[in-house]
Amino acid sequence: GEDVEQSLFLSVREGDSSVINCTYTDSSSTYLYWYKQEPGAGLQLLTYIFSNMDMKQDQRLTVLLNKKDKHLSLRIADTQTGDSAIYFCAESNDYKLSFGAGTTVTVRA
Amino acid sequence: ETGVTQTPRHLVMGMTNKKSLKCEQHLGHNAMYWYKQSAKKPLELMFVYSLEERVENNSVPSRFSPECPNSSHLFLHLHTLQPEDSALYLCASSQGAGAQLNYGYTFGSGTRLTVV
Repeated sequence: GEDVEQSLFLSVREGDSSVINCTYTDSSSTYLYWYKQEPGAGLQLLTYIFSNMDMKQDQRLTVLLNKKDKHLSLRIADTQTGDSAIYFCAESNDYKLSFGAGTTVTVRA
Repeated sequence: ETGVTQTPRHLVMGMTNKKSLKCEQHLGHNAMYWYKQSAKKPLELMFVYSLEERVENNSVPSRFSPECPNSSHLFLHLHTLQPEDSALYLCASSQGAGAQLNYGYTFGSGTRLTVV
C-alpha cells in the first residue's frame, strides 16, 4: 500500500518545540521526506532520512524514524512565526513519492 | 526562483474551454511529474514522465492530457473540465528515480485552477 497519514492541524506557541507525526505503509521505502509549503507556493524539501537511519538532525530540525512501527516524526525546536506552514510527509515507492494530506502548523504568539 | 517554473499561476476556465498548463525546469532533471493538490487530501499523483516517456497514468480522466516534448518541458492540456477539477496543480522534477530519489523532488509554485 502507499498510504501516508498525518494529523491535519497543530497549534504551537512561539519558542516551543513542534512535533509533527506521520505513519506510512511501504516498508520498502528507501527514503522518507519532510516538505514545507508556504501560502501561494509549491512544496519545498526540508529534510529527508535514509531508511537505515533512525535519527537525523539538521539545525532546528530533528527527524526520528521508527521502521518497526512505520512512524516518522519531525521536531522543530524553538518554533518561530516563519515556521507557520503546511508540512508534508512523503515516502518513496519505486520511482515516485507518495504524500500525506499535510499538517497545518500555526504558530501563536 | 525554485528552478521549476509553472505558468499561469492562476487560471479560471469554463467547462467548455480548452487550456494548457505549462511547466519548465532548467535543473537538468530527467523525470517530471504532475500532482493535484486538493484541500486536506493527500497529493494525488497524476502523471509521471521519465526520460520523456510516460511511465504512469494514475487512472486520470481523459479530459486531462499530458505532453512532454523534451526533458525540460511538461504540459497538461485541459478540456471539458468539471467544477470538482478545481485545485492546485503542481509540477515537480527529479534527477533519477527509485533508490536514487535521495534529493526528492523540486516543485514549482503550482497553478491554481478554478473551473466555473
